[in-house]
Amino acid sequence: QKEVEQDPGPLSVPEGAIVSLNCTYSNSAFQYFMWYRQYSRKGPELLMYTYSSGNKEDGRFTAQVDKSSKYISLFIRDSQPSDSATYLCAILREGYKLSFGAGTTVTVRA
Amino acid sequence: DGGITQSPKYLFRKEGQNVTLSCEQNLNHDAMYWYRQDPGQGLRLIYYSQIVNDFQKGDIAEGYSVSREKKESFPLTVTSAQKNPTAFYLCASSRMNTEAFFGQGTRLTVV
Repeated sequence: QKEVEQDPGPLSVPEGAIVSLNCTYSNSAFQYFMWYRQYSRKGPELLMYTYSSGNKEDGRFTAQVDKSSKYISLFIRDSQPSDSATYLCAILREGYKLSFGAGTTVTVRA
Repeated sequence: DGGITQSPKYLFRKEGQNVTLSCEQNLNHDAMYWYRQDPGQGLRLIYYSQIVNDFQKGDIAEGYSVSREKKESFPLTVTSAQKNPTAFYLCASSRMNTEAFFGQGTRLTVV
């Protein structure tokens, strides 16, 4: 079983829709959760990070963590064509190890 | 500007050659990482280092080697033992137990 599972999609939505992205993880000891955005042929860019259960908002982005279900989510409101990218969830394991999901490719259609 | 610099952006390797990818950071971060990304796949951890002169194998270390002689630098050598080296290589750094920041990557191709 992979430590982090993420549906690779692809996901296609019309402009203005809400994008919903999800990951599950296997080890309840994981404490630190991140979402990255990656444009083609570029390095991943940190979008959001959190270490507690609940919601964290930053502009159009909301990160949600449910530790009881070992489930993390990212919501993008009012999606724009510029949001078209691959979104990666990441979880910090013990000893500095960062584990990533496979990434979900999102296309926002104008 | 503070950040992580990877070089070169593109690298071509002949069969049987060793090549070294550079990663430098001026963020004063303790930890540094190397990841490999194949098309349509997530990031897989090759090596990581928490402090100078110490590093640990990640999930796919075979055929790779690293050094950490300076806090700012974490070069990765892709050796001839790596049978399928064509991939996108990403370097990252972080403070202790916090989010990681990435460089712009090196695309390695075997010719």
